[in-house]
Amino acid sequence: GQSLEQPSEVTAVEGAIVQINCTYQTSGFYGLSWYQQHDGGAPTFLSYNALDGLEETGRFSSFLSRSDSYGYLLLQELQMKDSASYFCAVREQGGSYIPTFGRGTSLIVHP
Amino acid sequence: ETGVTQSPTHLIKTRGQQVTLRCSSQSGHNTVSWYQQALGQGPQFIFQYYREEENGRGNFPPRFSGLQFPNYSSELNVNALELDDSALYLCASSLSGGASGEQFFGPGTRLTVL
Repeated sequence: GQSLEQPSEVTAVEGAIVQINCTYQTSGFYGLSWYQQHDGGAPTFLSYNALDGLEETGRFSSFLSRSDSYGYLLLQELQMKDSASYFCAVREQGGSYIPTFGRGTSLIVHP
Repeated sequence: ETGVTQSPTHLIKTRGQQVTLRCSSQSGHNTVSWYQQALGQGPQFIFQYYREEENGRGNFPPRFSGLQFPNYSSELNVNALELDDSALYLCASSLSGGASGEQFFGPGTRLTVL
């Protein structure tokens, strides 16, 4: 089985930097994904890490440490539109595809 | 390039009834996954179809079943509806089983069971 832990809520001000952590337990790890979901909307893919290290995509970066079963999403130059829920998701290693999503972190950006 | 579409957008059913939800995958994608998302929770994986075959299944009872068609569109069928089945049902399409970790989600179907 798999389980993920992420904070339920994070608050920050516009222009700041925020980090959303995700720790996971899985029998066979394949990769860690991050998704953004605005209220009433569909999840939108942000990033994917299969190997250790940092992946940068514009204002968003994602980090993975396989040895620590830990990853984080880093959001820089926060904007009001970044207020949303952020989910980490792991895929277990093997032939069948069985992804597990965390419960999500609600990010609130204040002016 | 068209995105992932789902129908209907909203649905109200009563306990014991059956429901069919539909999903059209993004152009060029051969894989569709279905998720159930309760309010305030993350999406829960139901199952995935890759080239018309089930390629993985989450912890859902057999009354949740699916189908993928040759054009890669998909259906989710739920029999004997229960109150706890009330949720947002999301489908997501991807290439080759989602090996890259990237999926494209549709807007979802909001199912209410009374």
